[in-house]
Amino acid sequence: DAGVIQSPRHEVTEMGQEVTLRCKPISGHDYLFWYRQTMMRGLELLIYFNNNVPIDDSGMPEDRFSAKMPNASFSTLKIQPSEPRDSAVYFCASSLRTHNSPLHFGNGTRLTVT
Amino acid sequence: QKEVEQDPGPLSVPEGAIVSLNCTYSNSAFQYFMWYRQYSRKGPELLMYTYSSGNKEDGRFTAQVDKSSKYISLFIRDSQPSDSATYLCAMIAQTGANNLFFGTGTRLTVIP
Repeated sequence: DAGVIQSPRHEVTEMGQEVTLRCKPISGHDYLFWYRQTMMRGLELLIYFNNNVPIDDSGMPEDRFSAKMPNASFSTLKIQPSEPRDSAVYFCASSLRTHNSPLHFGNGTRLTVT
Repeated sequence: QKEVEQDPGPLSVPEGAIVSLNCTYSNSAFQYFMWYRQYSRKGPELLMYTYSSGNKEDGRFTAQVDKSSKYISLFIRDSQPSDSATYLCAMIAQTGANNLFFGTGTRLTVIP
């Protein structure tokens, strides 16, 4: 099992540019989650999907953020336009079910917006 | 007030010491309690998982939940340099959305 795979590992971009983060969940997992981690705020849930359908996007900070899951093996998180305050580590996680199944995290994408 | 409070540390201990990591929470609906370990530049990985109050032991690790005090702990016995990481507590209510509330993490360094 390869685990949750995220790409790229690092992204450096200039303010105003579009950023796309990618995630491949563990095969067979029904749920996919996007988190953002900063020193100040810790891990914050942005959005999660169940069977490719977005269920709760209340954590998405602004309309500049959007997420898609076109199929069971791929999801994207897009930021357009990016701003310096978006700099953080973005994690994707997947799980079989909800609260009684553990989350399996990828190794994250470290985003720096200058 | 945050849902989950965790002392960020950092915490430094000598090898072989007993480590105690703690979290407090405010929502009495939380029923499932977890500890995740996060190594530098890696994603969090599940370390311990408990339901409701009580203790759970796994090797050198013991998770303790006191729901009456809204307090959870992770104990590490005979700490090793390989235990150096950030430890995050997490919890979720039995019902409701798939919202896992994380503490901000405690950074632990075990000195050889």
